Amino acid sequence: AQTVTQSQPEMSVQEAETVTLSCTYDTSENNYYLFWYKQPPSRQMILVIRQEAYKQQNATENRFSVNFQKAAKSFSLKISDSQLGDTAMYFCAATEYGNKLVFGAGTILRVKS
Amino acid sequence: GAGVSQSPSNKVTEKGKDVELRCDPISGHTALYWYRQSLGQGLEFLIYFQGNSAPDKSGLPSDRFSAERTGGSVSTLTIQRTQQEDSAVYLCASSFPHGGSSYNEQFFGPGTRLTVL
Repeated sequence: AQTVTQSQPEMSVQEAETVTLSCTYDTSENNYYLFWYKQPPSRQMILVIRQEAYKQQNATENRFSVNFQKAAKSFSLKISDSQLGDTAMYFCAATEYGNKLVFGAGTILRVKS
Repeated sequence: GAGVSQSPSNKVTEKGKDVELRCDPISGHTALYWYRQSLGQGLEFLIYFQGNSAPDKSGLPSDRFSAERTGGSVSTLTIQRTQQEDSAVYLCASSFPHGGSSYNEQFFGPGTRLTVL
């Protein structure tokens, strides 16, 4: 069975600085997808970035980028130039068969002014 | 266009009562998912509907939980004889159908916060 682990319950960062959120996962499949979701206090889940396991190139979306280490089963999220609006809960998630998502426990990120 | 909608936004009920939670997926999305988010925890998969196929109920925690999807659109999650441990946010998501190992993004609704007293 697939598992996703986030070992940082809370993180904080100063505005305009860079922060990295960690995630490890376990799977027996060779092809799968990995995601980072953002959940602000509104509860709305927002997809931040996704990575297909068969792609070696790390995904990037503006200020968000990932460090995908397939052999180590690691998938960290880097947020550059942090903004106050980045304050939220961040979830790492994975899917093996393109359907149900398996989520980590989440990391609360607080951006301080 | 309209996103995934869920109702009610909040529901308070007494232990032992039945509750129904509703999800309206995005038009054209034939895949629909229910997840549960307990306080301070990540999302836990409950059930998945894909078109006319039999639903994947592997995540339902007990036989008090059931869900149906009528006409391939609206879905209702029913919890019978609610218990205090059922208190959580219940999130619904929808997507275009996936094929093989391909993936189509799941779009989430705002959730229903259920409180069982």
